Amino acid sequence: GQNIDQPTEMTATEGAIVQINCTYQTSGFNGLFWYQQHAGEAPTFLSYNVLDGLEEKGRFSSFLSRSKGYSYLLLKELQMKDSASYLCAMNSGGYQKVTFGTGTKLQVIP
Amino acid sequence: GAVVSQHPSRVICKSGTSVKIECRSLDFQATTMFWYRQFPKKSLMLMATSNEGSKATYEQGVEKDKFLINHASLTLSTLTVTSAHPEDSSFYICSAIRQGTEKLFFGSGTQLSVL
Repeated sequence: GQNIDQPTEMTATEGAIVQINCTYQTSGFNGLFWYQQHAGEAPTFLSYNVLDGLEEKGRFSSFLSRSKGYSYLLLKELQMKDSASYLCAMNSGGYQKVTFGTGTKLQVIP
Repeated sequence: GAVVSQHPSRVICKSGTSVKIECRSLDFQATTMFWYRQFPKKSLMLMATSNEGSKATYEQGVEKDKFLINHASLTLSTLTVTSAHPEDSSFYICSAIRQGTEKLFFGSGTQLSVL
């Protein structure tokens, strides 16, 4: 079956680094998304990993290990505006079905 | 970047009425669109996968007759909430995969309130 799991909540300090983990199980895995979502708004695309390894985009980096069914989102130099929910989502199957995890609510504190 | 337009952004309706939500890909063709529902402080729950020219694939527990999905063209999918009840009140979001890519683009969402 399909399963995707990430922590419910995290707290980190402004200026620090935080890593949000995501584990998944599915058949026909195509890739893994990370999205940022502020309350009441649509999700904003952060990254999409297809191959193993780390991809860096400014303060945000995303890592994928297909063999382990594991991904993480790394946020550096945290800012207060980074307080949001971070959703990992797996793309699987021929129709590229996208299934979201429960989301990790990140709170950045001064 | 690709744009997905979702309309209306907010709707208030009386119990028993039907509400239609439109999702359009403005500058790309989307063979596949998805409809999600989100409860407050919760993640996105996939309701159905909408494929152009064929019947939608519904997730377990989602009533097909309650949530009618039509994907009549490569740029438009609609979700109709039939005989709405207060428990249908939620945030509904559509998304589309740009044909030829695997990238998912989201509409801005529709906040449905059923009185």
